[in-house]
Amino acid sequence: GDSVTQMEGPVTLSEEAFLTINCTYTATGYPSLFWYVQYPGEGLQLLLKATKADDKGSNKGFEATYRKETTSFHLEKGSVQVSDSAVYFCALSGRQAGTALIFGKGTTLSVSS
Amino acid sequence: GAVVSQHPSWVICKSGTSVKIECRSLDFQATTMFWYRQFPKQSLMLMATSNEGSKATYEQGVEKDKFLINHASLTLSTLTVTSAHPEDSSFYICSARSAAGGLNNEQFFGPGTRLTVL
Repeated sequence: GDSVTQMEGPVTLSEEAFLTINCTYTATGYPSLFWYVQYPGEGLQLLLKATKADDKGSNKGFEATYRKETTSFHLEKGSVQVSDSAVYFCALSGRQAGTALIFGKGTTLSVSS
Repeated sequence: GAVVSQHPSWVICKSGTSVKIECRSLDFQATTMFWYRQFPKQSLMLMATSNEGSKATYEQGVEKDKFLINHASLTLSTLTVTSAHPEDSSFYICSARSAAGGLNNEQFFGPGTRLTVL
């Protein structure tokens, strides 16, 4: 079945450091790919998404490119802030309406000043 | 817009009792709602998919008689944990998808409900 694998955390960085969180997927067909963020005590929020190969999703300085050849959707940010500390989830979804999301295990990011 | 609420945000109950969790889409109509369970430091695991007016579709390994799901309207789905036991303690999260591909077919998540069974 479809699955998502993302790098184990926690990831600990200093402010203004470069961030990469790796995500690879296994899926039949052409899924949509997502990154969600969960801040402490809050629900999941969509951070960015890409719906087809070579699409780049971006938001709040974060970006990820849908790479079909490597089945990857790595999350990057050039300069992290303390406020970026959260748990990040990579997810995929089939294209049919009503299809649920399949999540990776989540990566905890901790940024210190 | 596109807000999903859950109630209660946390609940503590005794073993053997039943607990109902509500999931509401506040400003859009949701034909499909999903229920997830999240264990500490783990991912969200899909429990069931709920379409308005029809029976929920449960994932393999999820007991439908224990986790009763009702999706009676386009803005409300409920999850009832029946005869709860300590191993049911978890963080339960719902999400809702707009009707007919609206809102870019995106899923919107509720803030979650922390259930603790003593």
